[in-house]
Amino acid sequence: GQNIDQPTEMTATEGAIVQINCTYQTSGFNGLFWYQQHAGEAPTFLSYNVLDGLEEKGRFSSFLSRSKGYSYLLLKELQMKDSASYLCAVRPTTDSWGKLQFGAGTQVVVTP
Amino acid sequence: EADIYQTPRYLVIGTGKKITLECSQTMGHDKMYWYQQDPGMELHLIHYSYGVNSTEKGDLSSESTVSRIRTEHFPLTLESARPSHTSQYLCASSDLPANYGYTFGSGTRLTVV
Repeated sequence: GQNIDQPTEMTATEGAIVQINCTYQTSGFNGLFWYQQHAGEAPTFLSYNVLDGLEEKGRFSSFLSRSKGYSYLLLKELQMKDSASYLCAVRPTTDSWGKLQFGAGTQVVVTP
Repeated sequence: EADIYQTPRYLVIGTGKKITLECSQTMGHDKMYWYQQDPGMELHLIHYSYGVNSTEKGDLSSESTVSRIRTEHFPLTLESARPSHTSQYLCASSDLPANYGYTFGSGTRLTVV
């Protein structure tokens, strides 16, 4: 079966760094996505990894290790507006149009 | 500016009523999806479509049905709503390049009383 695990909640202070881990066990792999979802709103795309390594995009970076079934999202210079749920999602098929499987999300709380 | 629209945003309805949740996108995407999300839980795929006249059930069994008569429109219908249908319903679409994943609508929060 498919299994995507990430911590339920993390708390950090404004200006700090937080790393959200995601481990996955899926029948196949064709990309891992991170989404940000503010309460009551739609998830928005943050990053995409399909090859091993680090992808950096401003204050956010995402890392992938396919051999370990592991990814992390790194949020630097935290701001209050970063308080949200962060969803890890895997495309578990070689079909690039395939459906995504989502984790339950990690609620990040940024405190002053 | 949203390119995928869901209506209504919130809906409270009585048991046994028939309801249709609307989803429309203006991007010309072929792939469209319906996900169900309960608080603190993962998104579960309930329906998807790879184009006009194509609909498939997702991983989570659902009593809802969908149709895809036009590329831009992917409505979800519940013939007889029950309290167990209370949830948030998210519509999404995707297209090439595949590395952008999905574009989501704002969701419909459904409460059946």
